[in-house]
Amino acid sequence: EDKVVQSPLSLVVHEGDTVTLNCSYEVTNFRSLLWYKQEKKAPTFLFMLTSSGIEKKSGRLSSILDKKELSSILNITATQTGDSAIYLCAAGGHNNDMRFGAGTRLTVKP
Amino acid sequence: EPEVTQTPSHQVTQMGQEVILRCVPISNHLYFYWYRQILGQKVEFLVSFYNNEISEKSEIFDDQFSVERPDGSNFTLKIRSTKLEDSAMYFCASRLRDTEAFFGQGTRLTVV
Repeated sequence: EDKVVQSPLSLVVHEGDTVTLNCSYEVTNFRSLLWYKQEKKAPTFLFMLTSSGIEKKSGRLSSILDKKELSSILNITATQTGDSAIYLCAAGGHNNDMRFGAGTRLTVKP
Repeated sequence: EPEVTQTPSHQVTQMGQEVILRCVPISNHLYFYWYRQILGQKVEFLVSFYNNEISEKSEIFDDQFSVERPDGSNFTLKIRSTKLEDSAMYFCASRLRDTEAFFGQGTRLTVV
């Protein structure tokens, strides 16, 4: 059965800290890994990764995929209170399906 | 900017009643999904739909659930006889092949 596991489940940091969120996956015929941010309602897209070792970056956020280790990390540098959210990782297989992990709830304190 | 639209935003229904949740995906997208999220819990996959048929469904998606794309634009999720445990936020999503998925704002279903 396909599985996506995120860690930690919850994280509390102070503004300015750097955080690393982890995602590991076991997906048949893996095609892509996606990161989303969920604040109040719908998840909003952050990154899609398909190739190992190539970092994707957007401002203070970056992510990389390791296909050998079946994992990905999401880094956030110089965290701000607006980064407080649930960060979701989803792994996609050959049917273009997406299975989500449980998410990491990040709280950034002023 | 194109977006996925879901209606209603909130639905309250009596246990045992049928509900239909509606979604209008982004017009040129190919893959369509329903997910649910029970309050405080993870986003759970229900079903994916491609080329006018279900491509994959989870163990949650039992005979009480069905999906339809009746007119090429709407994508609906029907729950035939709702149970208390069906109370959740239901998200619709759509995507092109091998691209990011876009999510609607969700329908909060409350079964009383």
